Amino acid sequence: EAGVAQSPRYKIIEKRQSVAFWCNPISGHATLYWYQQILGQGPKLLIQFQNNGVVDDSQLPKDRFSAERLKGVDSTLKIQPAKLEDSAVYLCASSINSGLQETQYFGPGTRLLVL
Amino acid sequence: AQSVTQPDIHITVSEGASLELRCNYSYGATPYLFWYVQSPGQGLQLLLKYFSGDTLVQGIKGFEAEFKRSQSSFNLRKPSVHWSDAAEYFCAPASNTGKLIFGQGTTLQVKP
Repeated sequence: EAGVAQSPRYKIIEKRQSVAFWCNPISGHATLYWYQQILGQGPKLLIQFQNNGVVDDSQLPKDRFSAERLKGVDSTLKIQPAKLEDSAVYLCASSINSGLQETQYFGPGTRLLVL
Repeated sequence: AQSVTQPDIHITVSEGASLELRCNYSYGATPYLFWYVQSPGQGLQLLLKYFSGDTLVQGIKGFEAEFKRSQSSFNLRKPSVHWSDAAEYFCAPASNTGKLIFGQGTTLQVKP
């Protein structure tokens, strides 16, 4: 079974530029998560989708970050404009469904460096 | 609000020695608890999880964890560490929507 796919793996941009990350979850998984992991910290949830609806985006900086999952499968996370503090690893995860007992499967992440 | 603390930022053990990584959580009801491992350049991999029942949970790679409600702890253990266990370990309770609340992580270094 294929795992969670993410691209690109690495991205270097200058501040004020825009960037987009792509995630393809495990087939059949209804729930998709985007986490931000800053160096030396644990991952922090940015947004959670159930199919193509948003479950939780309380920690998404909506003035610059946006995410969509239009057909309930793939998802794109965008930053516009980027700031230095956005340098982090962006992890995508998926699970069969939402809920306390669901196991989340993580992709390899996209490492972003903002100069 | 839920929170989780991993008191040890960095731990070094000798290969073959036993290991215990600490995790303390703050949660009103019975928590759903997970331990994940992250190797350099890799995504997070689930080691084990606790929902209910037996408080001693077995996971992959020879790891186990014990849920102690009285101490609000969910410590991860392994009897004999292998060099390949060097990685970062995260404890994470889950919210009622399934959101994982990760601790700061503990970096494990294994000495030959």
